[in-house]
Amino acid sequence: NAGVMQNPRHLVRRRGQEARLRCSPMKGHSHVYWYRQLPEEGLKFMVYLQKENIIDESGMPKERFSAEFPKEGPSILRIQQVVRGDSAAYFCASSPTGDGSTEAFFGQGTRLTVV
Amino acid sequence: KQEVTQIPAALSVPEGENLVLNCSFTDSAIYNLQWFRQDPGKGLTSLLLIQSSQREQTSGRLNASLDKSSGRSTLYIAASQPGDSATYLCAVPNTASKLTFGTGTRLQVTL
Repeated sequence: NAGVMQNPRHLVRRRGQEARLRCSPMKGHSHVYWYRQLPEEGLKFMVYLQKENIIDESGMPKERFSAEFPKEGPSILRIQQVVRGDSAAYFCASSPTGDGSTEAFFGQGTRLTVV
Repeated sequence: KQEVTQIPAALSVPEGENLVLNCSFTDSAIYNLQWFRQDPGKGLTSLLLIQSSQREQTSGRLNASLDKSSGRSTLYIAASQPGDSATYLCAVPNTASKLTFGTGTRLQVTL
């Protein structure tokens, strides 16, 4: 049973380009969470999705950021017109339930560098 | 709003020492608490999940305790090794499994 898979592991984008980060949850998990870790800072929640639905996007910047979790395929975190301040590690977690009672499993993260 | 604090922020100990990492949280209405390990430039590895009904959880040289009423958890590492050097994070979920993380304790175990 493969764990949470994120790709790419490293992504370099020039300012103004788009970044697409992908996350495949663990088999059987339908709850996906994205977190961001800025340099020298802690992990902060961004968005919580179930299949085809955004449940909570309270941690996501209002502009340039979007997320989806389609019926088929991985969850995608999309950052448009990237800026240097978007440089961070982005982690995806999945859980079998979305009620706080079960363990969250994390992927290895995508390290985005904006040059 | 849940807030999670970890002390100390950094810790350096010689190999072989036992040590305790502390985590406190402001809202005691939690289902569980998770301890993670993060190596530099790497992802998060789940170490222990302790349910709110439990007082302790053990895995090898690691022991986590939870005092929900006082909003505290400790991670005890026995007989520390250089390979234990990493950042240790605690996190608590809300009712939708959204995790609030502490800022971490950076541990260095020296030879």
